Amino acid sequence: AQTVTQSQPEMSVQEAETVTLSCTYDTSENNYYLFWYKQPPSRQMILVIRQEAYKQQNATENRFSVNFQKAAKSFSLKISDSQLGDTAMYFCAFGSEKLVFGKGTKLTVNP
Amino acid sequence: NAGVMQNPRHLVRRRGQEARLRCSPVKGHSHVYWYRQLPEEGLKFMVYLQKENIIDESGMPKERFSAEFPKEGPSILRIQQVVRGDSAAYFCASSPQGPPGNTIYFGEGSWLTVV
Repeated sequence: AQTVTQSQPEMSVQEAETVTLSCTYDTSENNYYLFWYKQPPSRQMILVIRQEAYKQQNATENRFSVNFQKAAKSFSLKISDSQLGDTAMYFCAFGSEKLVFGKGTKLTVNP
Repeated sequence: NAGVMQNPRHLVRRRGQEARLRCSPVKGHSHVYWYRQLPEEGLKFMVYLQKENIIDESGMPKERFSAEFPKEGPSILRIQQVVRGDSAAYFCASSPQGPPGNTIYFGEGSWLTVV
């Protein structure tokens, strides 16, 4: 079975600091894609970052970057210079056709 | 806003009634996905459709649930004879091409409450 585990149900960070959200997954597939989605209080699902599993280079989008370790099936998200607007649920997901989501990490950025 | 449009945003139904959720994909997108989010959970895949075709419905409950994406008009997720356990957020997403790996764009979700 394909599963995603986000081991940190809740995290908090001070504004301007850096935080890392962890994600591990299990699959027997070789070609797949990994995603981090953000769900703010408005409940909309917003794509944060995307990584192709066949690429060794870690994806980066402005303040957001990932640490992708394919052998370990690990896909952590690092948020640098945290902002109050980063407060949200963060979901890790992977798949090729249909996505499998983790249960999420609730991140709170404190002023 | 040319994003994925879902309506209604909030829907209240009594047990036994029918719920119809509509999704208009991003203009030009011909692939539509429905996901369900139960309280305190991540999203779970329900169904993947292309125009007039169901490609993968492995996540759909066997009874009471159906989905369509007609040649003209929005995609519809239909839940017949709703029960309290159907209360959830239902997210639609679309992509311009099919898998693998094509980024999908989510709508804002439809919240179904069954009373």
